[in-house]
Amino acid sequence: EPEVTQTPSHQVTQMGQEVILRCVPISNHLYFYWYRQILGQKVEFLVSFYNNEISEKSEIFDDQFSVERPDGSNFTLKIRSTKLEDSAMYFCASKRVPAENIQYFGAGTRLSVL
Amino acid sequence: DQQVKQNSPSLSVQEGRISILNCDYTNSMFDYFLWYKKYPAEGPTFLISISSIKDKNEDGRFTVFLNKSAKHLSLHIVPSQPGDSAVYFCAAIPHEVSGKLIFGQGTTLQVKP
Repeated sequence: EPEVTQTPSHQVTQMGQEVILRCVPISNHLYFYWYRQILGQKVEFLVSFYNNEISEKSEIFDDQFSVERPDGSNFTLKIRSTKLEDSAMYFCASKRVPAENIQYFGAGTRLSVL
Repeated sequence: DQQVKQNSPSLSVQEGRISILNCDYTNSMFDYFLWYKKYPAEGPTFLISISSIKDKNEDGRFTVFLNKSAKHLSLHIVPSQPGDSAVYFCAAIPHEVSGKLIFGQGTTLQVKP
């Protein structure tokens, strides 16, 4: 069964460093998302991406964050200068077409900022 | 942001009995609702969904009920099995182009053998 793949599963970084979280969405999917879950809190929407551009972003997704689809398979989330409060699980999700409602999630990347 | 609320952090039921997980929402413009299940070290997995134009959707042991006037939905699992033990998230999709999901806090279900 096709699945969303995220790497690495755990990323440890120093405060102020740049990190790139990687996702390979399901191959025929066209709509991509990033969510995050801080320990003990809700899963929160960060950004959606369609047709090579951001379709919506949340207040959390400030100038320190960026997304990119550098090739036909990868979808990345970059945090330019990490803060302690960026420590969270980051989930990538995808869906086939805009009209579809079900999103399929990866296993997540645990980001620990020290 | 409390648009989707799951007020019970945890629920424990006996194997074979019914599990009822509840979810409340505040935004009457939500179009679609989904339930996701999450095991430790895995991402959320889609379980069942319901459109705002329906009041019930059933898939095997899982049934979701929607009460629009009360802005309430519930997930029924009958009969509950130990493998159902997981965190269950209610999520809603507002009427926006991006189709982003707005999640509740989650309810941890434990099904005891």
